[in-house]
Amino acid sequence: KNEVEQSPQNLTAQEGEFITINCSYSVGISALHWLQQHPGGGIVSLFMLSSGKKKHGRLIATINIQEKHSSLHITASHPRDSAVYICAVRSGTGNQFYFGTGTSLTVIP
Amino acid sequence: DSGVTQTPKHLITATGQRVTLRCSPRSGDLSVYWYQQSLDQGLQFLIQYYNGEERAKGNILERFSAQQFPDLHSELNLSSLELGDSALYFCASSVVPGVYGYTFGSGTRLTVV
Repeated sequence: KNEVEQSPQNLTAQEGEFITINCSYSVGISALHWLQQHPGGGIVSLFMLSSGKKKHGRLIATINIQEKHSSLHITASHPRDSAVYICAVRSGTGNQFYFGTGTSLTVIP
Repeated sequence: DSGVTQTPKHLITATGQRVTLRCSPRSGDLSVYWYQQSLDQGLQFLIQYYNGEERAKGNILERFSAQQFPDLHSELNLSSLELGDSALYFCASSVVPGVYGYTFGSGTRLTVV
């Protein structure tokens, strides 16, 4: 049983397309994180959410606590957005983290 | 450079051996987290320290231990290594747990042969 489920697992898009990656979770959480992992392996924390919506540049993250669902949107996608995007949640007690298996995004020029 | 420094970047060692991975958090960050990323299990949370004290414990094996020192750097000790311990080990830091996001180090790639 996975506490965090992401979809799709793989995504290929043309440059300029609007992209949505979804994350559903089954546990009570104190926060949800979106992470970006580039082919070289490095991880960057994109967003930390506990409610509502956050925007940073072309990236938008939303969370619906009642539905236990979050989405990561990328507007005007670019080849440099190609990476694995990982959804992670911190449990309500704060004592555990659960990770999705990641969405591998490839943006074609 | 994220500000979180992990050493070494690569480590190759034999089964049964013991290794120590080191993490220096970003300046001003009090909390350190350790994660393991393997091909078959994905990312897993190991342990968190805050200002020198253990704050949360995840899927950390008994053969593994960690500590955070007064200067806030942290070490992850892995002993009696097995082939399955081969993975990327990431350290991340944050100012205050649960309030701000995390900054990740570039990871230590451990290969057990």
